[in-house]
Amino acid sequence: GAVVSQHPSWVICKSGTSVKIECRSLDFQATTMFWYRQFPKQSLMLMATSNEGSKATYEQGVEKDKFLINHASLTLSTLTVTSAHPEDSSFYICSARDDGRYSNQPQHFGDGTRLSIL
Amino acid sequence: DAKTTQPPSMDCAEGRAANLPCNHSTISGNEYVYWYRQIHSQGPQYIIHGLKNNETNEMASLIITEDRKSSTLILPHATLRDTAVYYCIVISRNQGGKLIFGQGTELSVKP
Repeated sequence: GAVVSQHPSWVICKSGTSVKIECRSLDFQATTMFWYRQFPKQSLMLMATSNEGSKATYEQGVEKDKFLINHASLTLSTLTVTSAHPEDSSFYICSARDDGRYSNQPQHFGDGTRLSIL
Repeated sequence: DAKTTQPPSMDCAEGRAANLPCNHSTISGNEYVYWYRQIHSQGPQYIIHGLKNNETNEMASLIITEDRKSSTLILPHATLRDTAVYYCIVISRNQGGKLIFGQGTELSVKP
């Protein structure tokens, strides 16, 4: 089945550091990928829609200069948390949908990246 | 997007069927019902989806009422590994694939 790989699975870094998270679709092409954030005991919150070859679309309240998204190929989207601070500590999850299938094809999710900022 | 309502938690005995309800009374004609689940500290896993007919796959069955205002996800023989948060999401094919997660139902399968 479709597989979405997310890397790294966890990262700990100092405040002020920028952190890049990769999301790859391993056996399908994905023009569109999605980035979510999840705080403990809460549901997933959609942050942005990543579009191959164009700018990402951010949800209301998400700072686009803080969370930089690059979708340079049909199989890779990256999320960079710039100048990360402790309040950015969270579980970040990406998802992708197979371009080659019918329009109601379900999304497939990565296993998430646990980010801890000290 | 149509809203969904799910009970916050449910228990189920191992080996028994788990029936998870979802209300989506404002669903429109072109909106699908999707079910995902999230096991602790992992990304969500797709389970099943449907439009108006009942659906079954190797993981579960989806029963959608005739008026489409509610649905039930059935795990026929729940195991301990089915303990997870289950999300019912309604989405149309024209919404660009954006999934909006509610609070879901936390299913605990007990021995």
